[in-house]
Amino acid sequence: NAGVMQNPRHLVRRRGQEARLRCSPMKGHSHVYWYRQLPEEGLKFMVYLQKENIIDESGMPKERFSAEFPKEGPSILRIQQVVRGDSAAYFCASRLPTGVNTEAFFGQGTRLTVV
Amino acid sequence: RKEVEQDPGPFNVPEGATVAFNCTYSNSASQSFFWYRQDCRKEPKLLMSVYSSGNEDGRFTAQLNRASQYISLLIRDSKLSDSATYLCVVVTSGTYKYIFGTGTRLKVLA
Repeated sequence: NAGVMQNPRHLVRRRGQEARLRCSPMKGHSHVYWYRQLPEEGLKFMVYLQKENIIDESGMPKERFSAEFPKEGPSILRIQQVVRGDSAAYFCASRLPTGVNTEAFFGQGTRLTVV
Repeated sequence: RKEVEQDPGPFNVPEGATVAFNCTYSNSASQSFFWYRQDCRKEPKLLMSVYSSGNEDGRFTAQLNRASQYISLLIRDSKLSDSATYLCVVVTSGTYKYIFGTGTRLKVLA
């Protein structure tokens, strides 16, 4: 059973371009979370999705950021018109759908650099 | 007030020392609690869940105090390999949102 897979691991974009980050959850995991981590800072919650549903996007910036988790395929975090301040590590985590006391497993992250 | 708060540290301790971290949370409806460990530039990994009655795993002990709304992590006989950032996680029932503290950095010194 492969772990949570994120790709790419490293992504370089010029200001104004789009960044697409992918997250394939563990098998059987229908819940996905995205977090952003700036250097020397903690993990900031961005969005929580179940398949085909956004459950909580209270941590997502109102503009330029969007996320989806389709019925088939990976979850995608999309950042349009990137700016230097978007440079960060983006982690996704997945968990089983059962119960509250369920561990979330993390992918290795995508490190986005905006030049 | 932040939903989950931790002392950022760093806690610098000698090998063999005992060290404890606390983490406070603001939402009394929080139902699940975890401690994760994050090594530099790596993904967080689960260290242990925190149960209402407290639980122990080797040198690590986790406790929950619902009345005062905090969880704690105790590390006994610290090893150099324990050096990392320790993140507490609080999950609120109903929303199932996993909220991370900013982490407490531990450095175990030889």
